[in-house]
Amino acid sequence: EIVLTQSPATLSLSPGERATLSCRASQSVSTYLAWYQQKPGQAPRLLIYDASNRATGIPARFSGSGSGTDFTLTISSLEPEDFAVYYCQQRRDWPLTFGGGAKVEIK
Amino acid sequence: DVQLVESGGGLIQPGGSLRLSCAASGFTVSSNYMSWVRQSPGKGLEWVSLIYSGGTTYYADSVKGRFTISRDNSKNTLYLQMNSLRADDTAVYYCAAHYYTSGIYYNYFDYWGQGTPVTVSS
Repeated sequence: EIVLTQSPATLSLSPGERATLSCRASQSVSTYLAWYQQKPGQAPRLLIYDASNRATGIPARFSGSGSGTDFTLTISSLEPEDFAVYYCQQRRDWPLTFGGGAKVEIK
Repeated sequence: DVQLVESGGGLIQPGGSLRLSCAASGFTVSSNYMSWVRQSPGKGLEWVSLIYSGGTTYYADSVKGRFTISRDNSKNTLYLQMNSLRADDTAVYYCAAHYYTSGIYYNYFDYWGQGTPVTVSS
């Protein structure tokens, strides 16, 4: 199965700063990668699909890039509601797999 | 508004069975791609099973032969029958509707329920 490794595990930043999260795949997933945000006690929310497309209703401060094995989620200027855990997920091959998550916390 | 409401979770002994339900409103389960995804502290998020609108199903290797995904069109409800439960099946189970845009379904998860906890323990 395709293993997704996220880094860093925790990112400590202040509101207004830029967040850059990484997701590395154990083999190429082309651009078939999504990003989710999850807050405590809530289900995940789809942010980015197919590497760089914002899902419906997602603010423009969220952007995704990458292809093959290396992907990045960027939050251009952190809002208070953006402090959460972020997951990547691939749909290139079965089984569908998720990364282990990366927490963006308030510094 | 789309809403998914799971039920059926609980405490069950190893080797036991449970059936999870996911009642949908605001959209038609049979016309959509639907999945079960689980989340446990030790394993994070794990996709479990999927059913396409045409009825084709897929399973994670960890549940193949033990879990069965199905739907009842008349009740607009998705199910997950879980047999031979093991301790490592302990998790919060979410049902999720796949992302759909511009006439295309994607194997990503858009609408999620609130989750139902399953604890397998003696």
